[in-house]
Amino acid sequence: EIVLTQSPGTLSLSPGERATLSCRASQSVSSNYLAWYQQKPGQAPRLLIYGASTRAPGIPDRFSGSGSGTDFTLTISRLEPEDFAVYYCQQYVDSRGTFGQGTKVEIK
Amino acid sequence: QMQLVEAGGGVVQPGRSLRLSCAASGFTFSGYGMHWVRQAPGKGLEWVAIIGSDGSNEYYADSVRGRFTISRDNSKNTLYLQMNSLRVEDTAVYYCARGDLFPGYWGKGTLVTVSS
Repeated sequence: EIVLTQSPGTLSLSPGERATLSCRASQSVSSNYLAWYQQKPGQAPRLLIYGASTRAPGIPDRFSGSGSGTDFTLTISRLEPEDFAVYYCQQYVDSRGTFGQGTKVEIK
Repeated sequence: QMQLVEAGGGVVQPGRSLRLSCAASGFTFSGYGMHWVRQAPGKGLEWVAIIGSDGSNEYYADSVRGRFTISRDNSKNTLYLQMNSLRVEDTAVYYCARGDLFPGYWGKGTLVTVSS
């Protein structure tokens, strides 16, 4: 089973700052099979990025994804108040999906 | 408008069974794969299972394989999760989600509590 490790566990930033979230896989993952989600308290997750770098419909362009192999990154260029949430990466290989443990982006 | 509504959650004793359902509307249900994903209280997301658009392929997380069964009825636009031999560690909010690969659209979830 592929294990995804996200870092940092918590990111304390101010609105307007840049957020850089990391997702590292225990073995190589095709970029086609890496996604990012946002979850706010009491809500279902929302797909942000799929295929490592393609934004889902309706997702603002301040969100961007990059990476390949075992190292992937989600970048939020300028944090808006609504962006403070928990972010998860997910891989889907061999017909099984696993999530990272999440990174919480909190207001500093 | 696209909608996924889960139902069937509740409190159940360890070792017992429960069946969840997910009613879909606002899109062509038979055209998409469907997932179940769960989240234990205060914890992260755990992918549970996926079923193909025509129900021909099913895949499971190791933690539920052999105990849970995902199925669908395209004539009723409904997804199911049959959960047998439930354990305390199966306590979670269970979400259904649409997606052939990734869960792209999610329902609001239903809470399953396994407790004696």
